[in-house]
Amino acid sequence: EPEVTQTPSHQVTQMGQEVILRCVPISNHLYFYWYRQILGQKVEFLVSFYNNEISEKSEIFDDQFSVERPDGSNFTLKIRSTKLEDSAMYFCASGQDTSTDTQYFGPGTRLTVL
Amino acid sequence: QKEVEQNSGPLSVPEGAIASLNCTYSDRGSQSFFWYRQYSGKSPELIMSIYSNGDKEDGRFTAQLNKASQYVSLLIRDSQPSDSATYLCAVIDSGGYQKVTFGTGTKLQVIP
Repeated sequence: EPEVTQTPSHQVTQMGQEVILRCVPISNHLYFYWYRQILGQKVEFLVSFYNNEISEKSEIFDDQFSVERPDGSNFTLKIRSTKLEDSAMYFCASGQDTSTDTQYFGPGTRLTVL
Repeated sequence: QKEVEQNSGPLSVPEGAIASLNCTYSDRGSQSFFWYRQYSGKSPELIMSIYSNGDKEDGRFTAQLNKASQYVSLLIRDSQPSDSATYLCAVIDSGGYQKVTFGTGTKLQVIP
């Protein structure tokens, strides 16, 4: 069964450094998303991406964040200058189309900012 | 601010019993509702989706939706210890573009 994959599984970085989290969505999916989950808290929407552009973003997704689909398979989340409060699990998800609305989640990347 | 509310639990049920999980949402225009299961340290795993008022059954799981009351529930029949997890209610916001609002989740403990 096709699945969303994410790399790395765990990323440790120093405050102020840039990180890129990578995702490979399910191959025939058209809609891509990033979520984060701070330890012990709820899953929070960051951004949705369709047709090579951001379709919606939350207030969390400020200028420090960017997303890109550099080729036909990868979908990345970049955090330009990490803060301590960016420490969280980051989940990528993908969906096939709007009619089903179902989003399938990857295993996540745990980001630790020191 | 669109909200999805769940009782955080823990909800403890004996093995073989029915577990009932509830969720309310604030966005009256929402049309798509989901239940995810999340084991500790893992990603959300889709259990059920529901779009119409009424019940939807899939194996041991039944989702119930009442849009007038803005209420979604999940029943798990014949609960098993492996069902012990946090159950997340998720609602796609009205207005399109697939933004999902999650509840904080209800922790379910199935006691052998």
